[in-house]
Order: sequence, then structure tokens, then C-alpha cells
Amino acid sequence: DIMMTQTPLSLSVTPGQPASISCKSSQSLLHSDGKTYLYWYLQKPGQSPQLLIYEVSRRFSGVPDRFSGSGSGTDFTLKISRVEAEDVGVYFCMQGIHLRTFGQGTKVEIK
Amino acid sequence: EVQLVESGGGLVQPGGSLRLSCAASGFTFSTSWMSWVRQAPGKGLEWVANIKEDGSAKFYVDSVKGRFTISRDNAKNSLYLQMNSLRVEDTAVYYCARDLAALVCWGQGTLVTVSS
Repeated sequence: DIMMTQTPLSLSVTPGQPASISCKSSQSLLHSDGKTYLYWYLQKPGQSPQLLIYEVSRRFSGVPDRFSGSGSGTDFTLKISRVEAEDVGVYFCMQGIHLRTFGQGTKVEIK
Repeated sequence: EVQLVESGGGLVQPGGSLRLSCAASGFTFSTSWMSWVRQAPGKGLEWVANIKEDGSAKFYVDSVKGRFTISRDNAKNSLYLQMNSLRVEDTAVYYCARDLAALVCWGQGTLVTVSS
């Protein structure tokens, strides 16, 4: 089974400042088809999760460009260039190369 | 508008059964993999199962194998999760999601509580 490890588990950020979340997988997420099956989701308070980033760095429809994803193989990062109040919630990474596994989640709050 | 609406949750005793449903609209259901994902109260997300477009392939997380069965009815644009031999640790909000490797759309979830 593929394990996903996120750090940190919580983050307090001043509005307008950047934020970064790390996600590490226990196995490479690079498939033989050339795609890397790593995704990022945000679950806002009281809501269902929503897709932010797919295949490491591709922003999903409607996602603001202050969100960016990077990484390769087993190490990945989600960055928010300038955190806004509406970005609070829990961020999850997920692997999709073998079944599906989520990271533990990173709770982001505003200072 | 893509929409997924779960139903069928409720309170059940340990060892009991429950069948969840997910009604899909706004996309071509019959050409999409579908997943169930759950979230225990105050906890993170756990993928439970997924099913191929035509129902010919099904995959499960180890903790539910042999107890849960995922199925679909493409004529009714509906996804199901039959849950048997329920345990206290199955208590969670259950979400259905359109699975394109990315889980691109999620329902609002239905709460399953397993308690005596």
C-alpha cells in the first residue's frame, strides 16, 4: 500500500503571506504513461472536499492562480502565494497511481 | 451542472447492514469511474472503493473487503454501496465522487453511524 505523509499538520498564516505544504509518498507516483498521479484537495469548513490541483501541477477549473503545485517522484509541494481568508480549511494530498490514498491533512488557519 | 446526491445513511447497530445510494446528474455517468470516500468525525479522508464505467472492475480498501460491495446502475445514473457486518469504526460521512483518477466532483455526503 502507498502511504502519503503531509507536513506540517497545521499552519497559521497571516493574510497576504505565502504558505507551503509538503506531501511525500512511500512509492513513486510516476506512471509508465508519463503522468504523475498526485492530487491536492481543499475541504473548507462544513463543505465537501474540492479538487485544486491534478497531476502535480495542473490547476483545476476555477482554481485561483495563487495556488501552485510542484514536485516529482515521491516529493510534492502545494504553495499558496498569498493566503486569503477564503483559503482556510484542511488540505489533503492524494495518490491515484494504485487505488487511492490520502495524506493526513493540513489544517490552514488565518492569524 | 454536475451534481452528486448521496442518500441512505443513518443509525445502525454493529453487525447490521445499510445501502447507500448516489444519484448523478450533469455528466455522462456511464462513461465515468466512480468512487466512495469516507470521513470519520473530526478525521481525515479515507478512500473506500471504486468501480469501472461498466461495473466490470471493482476495487476496495483492505478494511472493507468482504463486507462492502460497490455497484452501479447506468440506466438510473446511480451508484451504490452495500455495507454489511458494520463496525463502530465504519462510522463516517460517506461521499461519492466522480473518479477520473482525480476526484473531480463530490457529493455533500451522507452520515452513517454505527452504534448500539
